[in-house]
Amino acid sequence: QKEVEQNSGPLSVPEGAIASLNCTYSDRVSQSFFWYRQYSGKSPELIMSIYSNGDKEDGRFTAQLNKASQYVSLLIRDSQPSDSATYLCAVNDYKLSFGAGTTVTVRA
Amino acid sequence: DTAVSQTPKYLVTQMGNDKSIKCEQNLGHDTMYWYKQDSKKFLKIMFSYNNKELIINETVPNRFSPKSPDKAHLNLHINSLELGDSAVYFCASSPRHTPSYEQYFGPGTRLTVT
Repeated sequence: QKEVEQNSGPLSVPEGAIASLNCTYSDRVSQSFFWYRQYSGKSPELIMSIYSNGDKEDGRFTAQLNKASQYVSLLIRDSQPSDSATYLCAVNDYKLSFGAGTTVTVRA
Repeated sequence: DTAVSQTPKYLVTQMGNDKSIKCEQNLGHDTMYWYKQDSKKFLKIMFSYNNKELIINETVPNRFSPKSPDKAHLNLHINSLELGDSAVYFCASSPRHTPSYEQYFGPGTRLTVT
């Protein structure tokens, strides 16, 4: 299985702050990258996809991809208590390879 | 109007039994998957079917046998259940069998083997 590494958590941020999540992957030829959010006891929910180098913004979420460094990140701006969940980085090479996840807790 | 559904949601059984999990998607997708999420929350691919054809078979014991009667359904049959099979099993689907397409997950089936 191709390796996907995420920064170890848990990550605790105050409400309104920026949560920064990092992910590195081992296969240089990987092309498609996804961030999933998983609430406790629920299924993974797709929140962002990114395929090209640079930034991609969707609401309060920004994904960043640097293929040369084999690095993808997710920023959550203006963090809300409802953002408290585990965030899974995934690389898609015909099958999704997931990182172990980073648990984020937003303190009210 | 559930997109990807699984039954049952919970399954408690004893070692040595045989059980099945069913998955259905109404998204019109061509590709379906089974994933296993263990107690440490690590999510790993098991199988993938594209238009009823098996295309990915990870190193999964032969006791696990997927079956796709049509492209909207993917079932998972498990023989001779073992304690280590306890996990949450997720079904997912994708429009096409290409890396650029997102995968959408069902609600999961929590299997507990006692």
